[in-house]
Formats: sequence, structure tokens, C-alpha cells
Amino acid sequence: DADVTQTPRNRITKTGKRIMLECSQTKGHDRMYWYRQDPGLGLRLIYYSFDVKDINKGEISDGYSVSRQAQAKFSLSLESAIPNQTALYFCATSDLTRTDTQYFGPGTRLTVL
Amino acid sequence: AQSVTQPDIHITVSEGASLELRCNYSYGATPYLFWYVQSPGQGLQLLLKYFSGDTLVQGIKGFEAEFKRSQSSFNLRKPSVHWSDAAEYFCAVAASGAGSYQLTFGKGTKLSVIP
Repeated sequence: DADVTQTPRNRITKTGKRIMLECSQTKGHDRMYWYRQDPGLGLRLIYYSFDVKDINKGEISDGYSVSRQAQAKFSLSLESAIPNQTALYFCATSDLTRTDTQYFGPGTRLTVL
Repeated sequence: AQSVTQPDIHITVSEGASLELRCNYSYGATPYLFWYVQSPGQGLQLLLKYFSGDTLVQGIKGFEAEFKRSQSSFNLRKPSVHWSDAAEYFCAVAASGAGSYQLTFGKGTKLSVIP
């Protein structure tokens, strides 16, 4: 089984809808991250969490919110989706005691019509 | 703040040829450096990483990279490319120490392999 899983893998939604992307990990890492990837722009950090009670905004947090339900679960929400949030979203995890190397999930492809 | 430049957006090589993907970084001290690969429709897989010590690091799938402080570079190499290496490659840099969670990515280099 994969160490970092994301659901759904693909999602098409309409403008104005609320949508949640979920991430789960079995690596036992404390730190979790959400990124979005756009063609030609690389990956940009949306939110990150060092533990259940420590959540921080990243470079592009506007229009997004997150919830860390447990050490192993980190969800990303779009309260009112808009077309320019169409992108590939990645969850990642890391462990500071193991050099903080980030390991990525398979990604969720989100399309907002 | 750190930054990463991957000068080549797209590279095409023949199968069996050697490969070098360029990466230049900007950071005030010795950074942590990474190469990730993204195959079509897949997530990012860690190829290799550099934190300290030997400046030539070996990774998975026959890849290696060399950290050159004087050139602020961390180029990825492979002596003989296979068709399955066709993918997009991302160089990334993180601050050493307390800022190690802040991973900054380059915009990626897409590798095409001609049979």
C-alpha cells in the first residue's frame, strides 16, 4: 500500500461548489503539506502543518482552508471553487527527525468548470 | 529566501545517450538539495538528495547529482538514458536547519526520449 494516499484522484466540479480533498499517510510523519501544480509554474505551497494544532499558510493560501483531523490526515477545502483553481494538487509529508525530506502522494487532478 | 532555476524547459535525447539536467539555486548558506521525478499521470518521486558530505550523490534508477558550491549548481546526470526515463524532473532547495520544511521547486525540465 502507498505511504501517502489522496482522494479523490480526479474531480470535476462547478464554479461556486465546495470541495474537499483528502490526504492520509502511514509514514508516521508529523509534518504535512498541500501544494498545487500548474503547467510551467512548478509546485507552490498552499498550507502546511507541523502537528494537529499547528497549521500555517503557505505561498498561495487565499481561497483555500485546511483541517488536520489527526496526525495521519490532512484535508484541503475549497469553500467556493473558481476556474483558476483548476490544477493538480499534491499532499506531502515529512519528518524533521529524518532530515525533513518530503514524500508526495499521487496527486488529485481538480477541474473547476 | 531561496530560489531555484532550471534553465531547460524541455530536453530531447536518444535512448542510450547520456543526460545532464541543469539546476542552479540561490541561498545564502549550504542548502538541502533534491531532485524529484514526475512520470506522466504520477506523483513526485524522490530521486536523490544532498544534505552534507560527499558532493556526488547517488540516487535511484541510476541517477547521480553533483553539488558544486562555487557554481551554485546541483546538476542531475545519467550515463545512459532509457525510454522509461521520459518524465518531468524537478530540482528543489530547502534551507538547512529550522527552515528545512520550506521546499522551493524549480519550474521543471521535461525529458523526452527518442527510441
